[in-house]
Amino acid sequence: DTGVSQDPRHKITKRGQNVTFRCDPISEHNRLYWYRQTLGQGPEFLTYFQNEAQLEKSRLLSDRFSAERPKGSFSTLEIQRTEQGDSAMYLCASSVQGGTEAFFGQGTRLTVV
Amino acid sequence: DQQVKQNSPSLSVQEGRISILNCDYTNSMFDYFLWYKKYPAEGPTFLISISSIKDKNEDGRFTVFLNKSAKHLSLHIVPSQPGDSAVYFCAASRLAGTALIFGKGTTLSVSS
Repeated sequence: DTGVSQDPRHKITKRGQNVTFRCDPISEHNRLYWYRQTLGQGPEFLTYFQNEAQLEKSRLLSDRFSAERPKGSFSTLEIQRTEQGDSAMYLCASSVQGGTEAFFGQGTRLTVV
Repeated sequence: DQQVKQNSPSLSVQEGRISILNCDYTNSMFDYFLWYKKYPAEGPTFLISISSIKDKNEDGRFTVFLNKSAKHLSLHIVPSQPGDSAVYFCAASRLAGTALIFGKGTTLSVSS
């Protein structure tokens, strides 16, 4: 399977705990994006990388959120001190530089209880 | 402030007929527009895109029309098939490969 891969698919955590998600992009794609989707809404942009450089961060990305792509391949998204409002589907996507379309993974469903 | 709007939450169409999904945007700086389809518990799947220098792009049963003066685009699916039943998202970006701004989606139901 050469698509975007996300792990885990589902995560249930207690409020206040830290969680980390992983995304493996399509191998030849140097751009990687993180989005969040809540019920009844479209995906909302969080941040994106070109190789290992984080080029843009949304105002939605509070201080409790941090994303990394240390070697320009896979990426991690960490949420510290989770809150119930963080419950959402976290989507990763990738694209080639200059390409208009981004290809999405299946997402990680986070539930904070 | 919602920059990309899909004002119809749902659309029902009979198999074989045309489905028309609409999208409006407010930011005149958007240069690229995309449509994605999403099934439950899956990530969005790219369908078709159009740049602001064009007014039409076609790919098989899918055609996207762009009216820049009206800041409006539409997705036509002809003929519609039951497998097309899904949530359709319109998205826009200012530059190729940058942040996509999504609408809230339209749920399409195609009945046989």
